[in-house]
Amino acid sequence: GENVEQHPSTLSVQEGDSAVIKCTYSDSASNYFPWYKQELGKRPQLIIDIRSNVGEKKDQRIAVTLNKTAKHFSLHITETQPEDSAVYFCAASTAYNQGGKLIFGQGTELSVKP
Amino acid sequence: DAGVIQSPRHEVTEMGQEVTLRCKPISGHDYLFWYRQTMMRGLELLIYFNNNVPIDDSGMPEDRFSAKMPNASFSTLKIQPSEPRDSAVYFCASSLRDISGNTIYFGEGSWLTVV
Repeated sequence: GENVEQHPSTLSVQEGDSAVIKCTYSDSASNYFPWYKQELGKRPQLIIDIRSNVGEKKDQRIAVTLNKTAKHFSLHITETQPEDSAVYFCAASTAYNQGGKLIFGQGTELSVKP
Repeated sequence: DAGVIQSPRHEVTEMGQEVTLRCKPISGHDYLFWYRQTMMRGLELLIYFNNNVPIDDSGMPEDRFSAKMPNASFSTLKIQPSEPRDSAVYFCASSLRDISGNTIYFGEGSWLTVV
């Protein structure tokens, strides 16, 4: 089955700097790669996702890149702000109607220092 | 829509007791997922349903755990008997089928402590 590895487990940056979180996956059939943000005591919430037919997607300060050949994808946050501090999870799956299931990485705790 | 609704939000129970967690998915969603979150193991998929039918329960830790979805608007996750190592946050999530991938929406979670 699918296995998702996420690095680093913790990341500390200064406000205004960029943050990059990387994930690798094992199942070459995976075609959907979302990123979730989880604030302390809250539920995971989708912040951006990418499908296998594109290599990059951007939404304001957040971007995700996908390299299907290498089976890795990354989250980029630019101009970080203290409110970006949270745990970020990557995930991968094939379509559910093809028997896929969303498997999460272990999470990255991002700390943005003012 | 109110989103995915879970109850109870918090539960403290004694070892050996039965625990029942409840979930109401987003109306119209045809997939429902139960995840467990712990510091050690992260977010683990326990089981998921499509149109009320269990599709994959390979993540269910052992026979003490069971899940049902009697109709499109309700699901339960039961632990009997509960053990301290079951202490975790249990998230229910739902999704609408998409041929290329599915966005899932999480509930607020049920925080379970077994003492």
